[in-house]
Amino acid sequence: SQTIHQWPATLVQPVGSPLSLECTVEGTSNPNLYWYRQAAGRGLQLLFYSIGIDQISSEVPQNLSASRPQDRQFILSSKKLLLSDSGFYLCAWRIQGAGGYTFGSGTRLTVV
Amino acid sequence: GQQLNQSPQSMFIQEGEDVSMNCTSSSIFNTWLWYKQEPGEGPVLLIALYKAGELTSNGRLTAQFGITRKDSFLNISASIPSDVGIYFCAGQYNNAGNMLTFGGGTRLMVKP
Repeated sequence: SQTIHQWPATLVQPVGSPLSLECTVEGTSNPNLYWYRQAAGRGLQLLFYSIGIDQISSEVPQNLSASRPQDRQFILSSKKLLLSDSGFYLCAWRIQGAGGYTFGSGTRLTVV
Repeated sequence: GQQLNQSPQSMFIQEGEDVSMNCTSSSIFNTWLWYKQEPGEGPVLLIALYKAGELTSNGRLTAQFGITRKDSFLNISASIPSDVGIYFCAGQYNNAGNMLTFGGGTRLMVKP
């Protein structure tokens, strides 16, 4: 069966520090992968999506970047965090072009 | 682009009451999905709808795909405290991107 792993679960980082969040999917090949951000009690904001290795699309301009070095690995990064980067970050996957998304358990990022 | 309007934004109800929430779209969708997000977790798929007019149940949950293909509703009967969370609708049109569009969420609070 397919599973999605996302870590760390929580992270507290100082302003100006770098960020790396990792997401991996098991049990499937060539998935579509997504990074979302959710402000406290708010909706889901799509940040990046990927349909294949090294194929990344950005939905909003921001202080973040994404990479997909392997088929089932999706990484969210920042060189210098801002206070406004705080939030709940969710990774999701699905089979190419079909069905709903399956979400990871999320990373709670607090920038201080 | 496509937008989903989800209402109400929040609901505070008494245990045992029925709940109804809905989503409307500015354009048609071929798929409607309903997710539930519990505090500190990623959203989990509750119900998927693939055909206009389709009515699907999952325990105390019932969802319908509107015949105009521009709306969907979710009903929860006899609410219980564990129904607490944020409910998201999502729609997809089978274009080349096959992206899901999410509603803004309905925060449900249940008073025992």
